[in-house]
Amino acid sequence: EAQVTQNPRYLITVTGKKLTVTCSQNMNHEYMSWYRQDPGLGLRQIYYSMNVEVTDKGDVPEGYKVSRKEKRNFPLILESPSPNQTSLYFCASQGQGGNQPQHFGDGTRLSIL
Amino acid sequence: ILNVEQSPQSLHVQEGDSTNFTCSFPSSNFYALHWYRWETAKSPEALFVMTLNGDEKKKGRISATLNTKEGYSYLYIKGSQPEDSATYLCAFNTNAGKSTFGDGTTLTVKP
Repeated sequence: EAQVTQNPRYLITVTGKKLTVTCSQNMNHEYMSWYRQDPGLGLRQIYYSMNVEVTDKGDVPEGYKVSRKEKRNFPLILESPSPNQTSLYFCASQGQGGNQPQHFGDGTRLSIL
Repeated sequence: ILNVEQSPQSLHVQEGDSTNFTCSFPSSNFYALHWYRWETAKSPEALFVMTLNGDEKKKGRISATLNTKEGYSYLYIKGSQPEDSATYLCAFNTNAGKSTFGDGTTLTVKP
């Protein structure tokens, strides 16, 4: 089954404790992205990647890091989380080119106290 | 940051009504416009990817049109059903994978 898998689905943690949200896709897609969604707002792109070792900042990259060492994986790293990073996060993958639909994971709800 | 706007923000209709909503985006450097449907507690699902000016796409009772010269797209739902209740998102995409979403239109269909 074609899917994008995120882990964990839920996490409550404290300010300053490094965390990683994993994302894996099995569709051999070149493009992958991370988004955050806050109440009343649409999805805002944090980082995106066109292929292995190619990443770029989206609209809200501050406080986040990503890596793309393998085509299937695109982890999101919060080195020193803060309460304003409490949000719902989605990973998505996409075939090559912006003219392909994005496939989204089930989301990760992060609460940073 | 690109400006992608959707209107209205929310919409309440009766079952059987037809409805439409708008996505406006920059008309310069257009590459692709996506529509997604997002139900509560689920993840967004792709409805349409539109790339050509004048494009019209249809999936069942849902259709979309695209005007890249003036920078807007319309999503139409004919004969709304309660199961159509969801948030509908549009996204402006570049060919490099940068994607800017609007804030969505939340549709509620009352039986």
